[in-house]
Amino acid sequence: ETGVTQTPRHLVMGMTNKKSLKCEQHLGHNAMYWTKQSAKKPLELMFVYNFKEQTENNSVPSRFSPECPNSSHLFLHLHTLQPEDSALYLCALRLREQYFGPGTRLTVT
Amino acid sequence: RKEVEQDPGPFNVPEGATVAFNCTYSNSASQSFFWYRQDCRKEPKLLMSVYSSGNEDGRFTAQLNRASQYISLLIRDSKLSDSATYLCVVRRDTGRRALTFGSGTRLQVQP
Repeated sequence: ETGVTQTPRHLVMGMTNKKSLKCEQHLGHNAMYWTKQSAKKPLELMFVYNFKEQTENNSVPSRFSPECPNSSHLFLHLHTLQPEDSALYLCALRLREQYFGPGTRLTVT
Repeated sequence: RKEVEQDPGPFNVPEGATVAFNCTYSNSASQSFFWYRQDCRKEPKLLMSVYSSGNEDGRFTAQLNRASQYISLLIRDSKLSDSATYLCVVRRDTGRRALTFGSGTRLQVQP
């Protein structure tokens, strides 16, 4: 157990839906990340938050909108997604190393 | 050139074998290096950090070569349970692209 939880674990949504992914941790952290792992592709860093401030956005389309309201929670708001956005979305937090949550497996239909 | 490169494998080895993976990185400003293990459809789990002096944890040994910009992972006495994908992760503490991931090396240990 890494102490990082993500909900929901599985999500199926249509292209017109709006949904949010949640990441929660109570370990304390220096940084929190959203990453994406598509089938047969390497992990990609999407967003980086340091102390609730977004410090990195790796050219992520605006249909993905992150939010970090406090040091324990990180959200990824989704709207008008495309089928190619189907992937495993992993939250990670950084202590001395990086620890990943279990991920949300997203399918966009 | 990819920023972090790994041989995708698969490496098929018998139980008890010794196997080694390399990971090369292109940005000399990279500061921290890690090996993760990822099982099918699961999140990556930290296997070990890689220190400049090299480090060992049981059957696993990691090494860093800054001059040649690669890290390595050696697994001795392979077990069936070692079958997984091994990810190389490179971190920079300043600037963009704080974390960069290799595509992973698939290991299959056979009885």
